[in-house]
Amino acid sequence: NAGVTQTPKFQVLKTGQSMTLQCAQDMNHNSMYWYRQDPGMGLRLIYYSASEGTTDKGEVPNGYNVSRLNKREFSLRLESAAPSQTSVYFCASNDQGSTDTQYFGPGTRLTVL
Amino acid sequence: AQRVTQPEKLLSVFKGAPVELKCNYSYSGSPELFWYVQYSRQRLQLLLRHISRESIKGFTADLNKGETSFHLKKPFAQEEDSAMYYCALDYKLSFGAGTTVTVRA
Repeated sequence: NAGVTQTPKFQVLKTGQSMTLQCAQDMNHNSMYWYRQDPGMGLRLIYYSASEGTTDKGEVPNGYNVSRLNKREFSLRLESAAPSQTSVYFCASNDQGSTDTQYFGPGTRLTVL
Repeated sequence: AQRVTQPEKLLSVFKGAPVELKCNYSYSGSPELFWYVQYSRQRLQLLLRHISRESIKGFTADLNKGETSFHLKKPFAQEEDSAMYYCALDYKLSFGAGTTVTVRA
């Protein structure tokens, strides 16, 4: 099993460009999450999907949109990238929500110039 | 408001010395707390969680509801313990800012 996979691994964007970060899990988990990791701030939740067909905002949702395409896939879209969105993005999944262990992807390092 | 506080950004200890990573949380309910670890060039993974009451790789963590703390301890640090450690609270899926541990030979 690959666990949680993310594409791309690295990306450089210009301000105003758009892109979609892809995440997939093969563990048949119900819940999926997107975090951003910034120095001195730890991980902050952007959006999550408790189950297929549902999505909810996390702590820092502004500037992002998500799609839970099916049970396996959860994508994060930046419609108009800004330098403040330069970060490392992690996708995670688990089976039973916030009280359950999360399994993380390898991360996507995004730079917005 | 910061729900999980890890006061130390950096922690450097000698091999064989005890190491303690502090974690305090703000939550009035019954918390579920986790320690996650990220070794160099590896993905973030669970180290231990309070409900399991396990000792993983020699690490233990005790939940102190009175002090709202979940400090991580290991009596004898090893070089392979060098990593970034995150304390996390289930409420709002809150993570601390992380502590980078360096174990020197």
